Amino acid sequence: NAGVMQNPRHLVRRRGQEARLRCSPMKGHSHVYWYRQLPEEGLKFMVYLQKENIIDESGMPKERFSAEFPKEGPSILRIQQVVRGDSAAYFCASSSGTDTQYFGPGTRLTVL
Amino acid sequence: QQPVQSPQAVILREGEDAVINCSSSKALYSVHWYRQKHGEAPVFLMILLKGGEQKGHEKISASFNEKKQQSSLYLTASQLSYSGTYFCGTELLNRDDKIIFGKGTRLHILP
Repeated sequence: NAGVMQNPRHLVRRRGQEARLRCSPMKGHSHVYWYRQLPEEGLKFMVYLQKENIIDESGMPKERFSAEFPKEGPSILRIQQVVRGDSAAYFCASSSGTDTQYFGPGTRLTVL
Repeated sequence: QQPVQSPQAVILREGEDAVINCSSSKALYSVHWYRQKHGEAPVFLMILLKGGEQKGHEKISASFNEKKQQSSLYLTASQLSYSGTYFCGTELLNRDDKIIFGKGTRLHILP
């Protein structure tokens, strides 16, 4: 019974490039959440998606960031034209809609 | 809207007890507790849904006072493996399925 999967685990990008982070939820889960965590800080909510729908994107920067959760395939968090300040750990979590969220191992993004 | 956790950090000797508090300025539907070790993903500990509810997980338990909009996590007879950062997450009464996490409490257990 696989847990939440994220890839890649580590991603290095140069300023101006694009970063694509993938998240496959636990089997049977249709709710996906993305969080950003800066070193020594808490988890900051970014976006909440259900299949093919963005439910709440109030925590996501309006520019350069986008997220999707297509009918088939993983959820993708896309960051265009990355800047140094985007360097962080990005976690996704999934749930079945009955409250408990289970986290993936995270993607650590480093922008050079 | 972000819950406030206290203390920010705790250092204990193995076998000692600790209490971590989480308080919200808004009415809550649920409180979630997670533990995160350095460089790892947060791991779910427990969720509390009802006012006055208490739950236990090994020697870790928690309470939720709905009226006071507070939750406390109790760690008794702490073990080295309890070291890490503890986060509380709160979901508001409007049930928007969104959890907002506090800044975390760093717990360090000394042998």
